[in-house]
Amino acid sequence: DAKTTQPNSMESNEEEPVHLPCNHSTISGTDYIHWYRQLPSQGPEYVIHGLTSNVNNRMASLAIAEDRKSSTLILHRATLRDAAVYYCIRSYGGSQGNLIFGKGTKLSVKP
Amino acid sequence: DVKVTQSSRYLVKRTGEKVFLECVQDMDHENMFWYRQDPGLGLRLIYFSYDVKMKEKGDIPEGYSVSREKKERFSLILESASTNQTSMYLCASRPTGAVSPDNEQYFGPGTRLTVT
Repeated sequence: DAKTTQPNSMESNEEEPVHLPCNHSTISGTDYIHWYRQLPSQGPEYVIHGLTSNVNNRMASLAIAEDRKSSTLILHRATLRDAAVYYCIRSYGGSQGNLIFGKGTKLSVKP
Repeated sequence: DVKVTQSSRYLVKRTGEKVFLECVQDMDHENMFWYRQDPGLGLRLIYFSYDVKMKEKGDIPEGYSVSREKKERFSLILESASTNQTSMYLCASRPTGAVSPDNEQYFGPGTRLTVT
């Protein structure tokens, strides 16, 4: 049970921003939110993570709601290479906590 | 550059065969994982290991076993392959400790196994 909810698919135009939503209404205080993406014919790769504050890195931004029950991955300017399945994941606490992947959101980018 | 490698990208085996999928990481990570990925089901955790000779069942361990004799190598074994084990198999590794900001998980490219 992934315990996160994402839309099955989204579409974007190249060069435009993309907002990928994720619902995690049962999140606990110590769970981080991670985003991974999987390009076609590849294994998943890390994108970004956060706990409470918004986060930025070279790939994307992560906006976390104040109540932490939802978050949004923001790609500022989508490129064709951003077409992938994006996974929003809660990490469970404990030294052996594992990432539980859901089905993710398939992002299509149109030229 | 960190790397997780898997022994084969594509593999075709017959029903009843014993199948070995090998995974090697060069990052000195303690934790290693095997997932399978099927259309509509996402990634599901089969087994993981947090140390040499240690193993833990994931969500779908039935029909599989694992071996971790060396820190860098984690093997997935299908004792008697069946057609319902046709899937994409992904290996991953991660440093020790809680799943936290510093503990990014790295994946291999995957092995597409077909059992006929």
